[in-house]
Amino acid sequence: TAGITQAPTSQILAAGRSMTLRCTQDMRHNAMYWYRQDLGLGLRLIHYSNTAGTTGKGEVPDGYSVSRANTDDFPLTLASAVPSQTSVYFCASRTDWSLGNEQFFGPGTRLTVL
Amino acid sequence: GQNIDQPTEMTATEGAIVQINCTYQTSGFNGLFWYQQHAGEAPTFLSYNVLDGLEEKGRFSSFLSRSKGYSYLLLKELQMKDSASYLCAVDTDSGGSYIPTFGRGTSLIVHP
Repeated sequence: TAGITQAPTSQILAAGRSMTLRCTQDMRHNAMYWYRQDLGLGLRLIHYSNTAGTTGKGEVPDGYSVSRANTDDFPLTLASAVPSQTSVYFCASRTDWSLGNEQFFGPGTRLTVL
Repeated sequence: GQNIDQPTEMTATEGAIVQINCTYQTSGFNGLFWYQQHAGEAPTFLSYNVLDGLEEKGRFSSFLSRSKGYSYLLLKELQMKDSASYLCAVDTDSGGSYIPTFGRGTSLIVHP
């Protein structure tokens, strides 16, 4: 099985442009998350979704939006990119409580905003 | 807010045992994750502790004390490939949403 896939693998983006980072999982997990990882700061939660049709804000949501139209897909959109959004972005999904609470991460998207 | 603390860096010798500590202060605690992350790669799941005590999985074990806000990851028979960052994450219940919050990670260097 593919698990979680993310696209693109990396991207260089001009400041002010918009971009959508894609995330797809084939494990039928209800909960999904977007994190950014910056050197010295660790993984910080941007947005999350408990199930299709619902989303919530994490620790650093400003400048980002998400949608969850179905179980498999959880895209992250930057409406107008700024250099401080240069980071590595990880999408994750999670098994339900009754199935052991294992969280799986995608391979990441390395984004550079110039 | 949450306060999760783990050492920034540790070094150890191949074949030895190392213990990586994680302390936390939080409300709505559900459990605690440990992850391994090699440079340039995604984190991979190691363990999830809900109850107090030690859980063993091969060379890796994880311990939790909920009353003390303390966990550790124990790595035995260290191998060179164990050189990586180890991430502690506290799982909290926020109005029915389960939210893992990560510490800054411990970089473990294993030398011959």
